[in-house]
Amino acid sequence: DQQVKQNSPSLSVQEGRISILNCDYTNSMFDYFLWYKKYPAEGPTFLISISSIKDKNEDGRFTVFLNKSAKHLSLHIVPSQPGDSAVYFCAASTTSGTYKYIFGTGTRLKVLA
Amino acid sequence: DTGVSQNPRHKITKRGQNVTFRCDPISEHNRLYWYRQTLGQGPEFLTYFQNEAQLEKSRLLSDRFSAERPKGSFSTLEIQRTEQGDSAMYLCASSLPRGYTDTQYFGPGTRLTVL
Repeated sequence: DQQVKQNSPSLSVQEGRISILNCDYTNSMFDYFLWYKKYPAEGPTFLISISSIKDKNEDGRFTVFLNKSAKHLSLHIVPSQPGDSAVYFCAASTTSGTYKYIFGTGTRLKVLA
Repeated sequence: DTGVSQNPRHKITKRGQNVTFRCDPISEHNRLYWYRQTLGQGPEFLTYFQNEAQLEKSRLLSDRFSAERPKGSFSTLEIQRTEQGDSAMYLCASSLPRGYTDTQYFGPGTRLTVL
């Protein structure tokens, strides 16, 4: 039962262009969503989050969009840089209960110089 | 802020041996989580502490697994009688809830290889 899905295992983008990573979820109880970046042999690094009371949150080059009716969120990176090349995980949780995160399977982003 | 630290970073053991991992959270964080990640998957929740109380355990956490956080600071995860299926990256995260949000910060992980 995959409650959080990242259907694109990989994505390649030219440096300077926009990277769009997508994530879908099935549990309507989720109300807090996050994106993490992971380099090989390291733990996930927090990038950006969004609460279900918002539909957009922006932090520098990173913007997360949330479409609750479609149960879909996306991460936009503009402009993309070679250092952004990593695996990106979306995660979802409920702000009541155990606070555990449910992660997607990740999307490997490669930014080409 | 020194971040979340985990030791050891790598552990190779033979099947049937016991192993113990340690996690030191960010100092003021009262919540601590353990996750497991296998190749091609996202991290999967194992267990969660608020201060020293273990409040939830995943069904992934068989009776060979035990976790403690004795003084509400560092935590240990022990695996008894290791099996090859236990080979994975074990991740620890900590958090301090602010309002209605609870952002977890992860350590570098301990990679376990069971031969």
